[in-house]
Amino acid sequence: DTAVSQTPKYLVTQMGNDKSIKCEQNLGHDTMYWYKQDSKKFLKIMFSYNNKELIINETVPNRFSPKSPDKAHLNLHINSLELGDSAVYFCASSQVGRAGTAPTGELFFGEGSRLTVL
Amino acid sequence: AQSVTQLDSHVSVSEGTPVLLRCNYSSSYSPSLFWYVQHPNKGLQLLLKYTSAATLVKGINGFEAEFKKSETSFHLTKPSAHMSDAAEYFCVVSRPNTGFQKLVFGTGTRLLVSP
Repeated sequence: DTAVSQTPKYLVTQMGNDKSIKCEQNLGHDTMYWYKQDSKKFLKIMFSYNNKELIINETVPNRFSPKSPDKAHLNLHINSLELGDSAVYFCASSQVGRAGTAPTGELFFGEGSRLTVL
Repeated sequence: AQSVTQLDSHVSVSEGTPVLLRCNYSSSYSPSLFWYVQHPNKGLQLLLKYTSAATLVKGINGFEAEFKKSETSFHLTKPSAHMSDAAEYFCVVSRPNTGFQKLVFGTGTRLLVSP
């Protein structure tokens, strides 16, 4: 039973196209994330949602639009794809600590979606 | 601001020999520190974490790390490498007691294990 699942795993597309990546978690977590991993393996957070509310929005072009229909799903839509968007995109989830407690700090990652823009 | 520096991009060891992956951190606060592992074509998995309790932290698969405030280090070690340890390892820092996880990742160290 996959805890955090992303689809598709591989995506090859032309510049200028629009594409979406979907993510679902069955862990009951209330926070989900999108991370981008570049060709040098550097990981950077893009977005975070808590209970369908956007809470982290890093400096990301507005061609990237996340959408969380419910707390178990966080999708990423990318408009007008550019060559520089080629990367592996990871979805993750975590359980935020209850008020007064520290969060566990553990993120549960999906296996990644490799996007190649030609 | 917080950051981590992983001092080696690649580390090569022989099976059965010790592993040392180095990480130094910079933080305005007492940090929370983590090591994550990424096997080829897989997502990341938490190995261990330090959150201001014991300074020597034990993780999965025989790994451990020691938080040294005086040296601002959080090096990852394992007494005896196994072939299955070959992977990319990320040192990660976050601000503790924040409700939302804004982790800052290091650039990764690739561990190569030869027979």
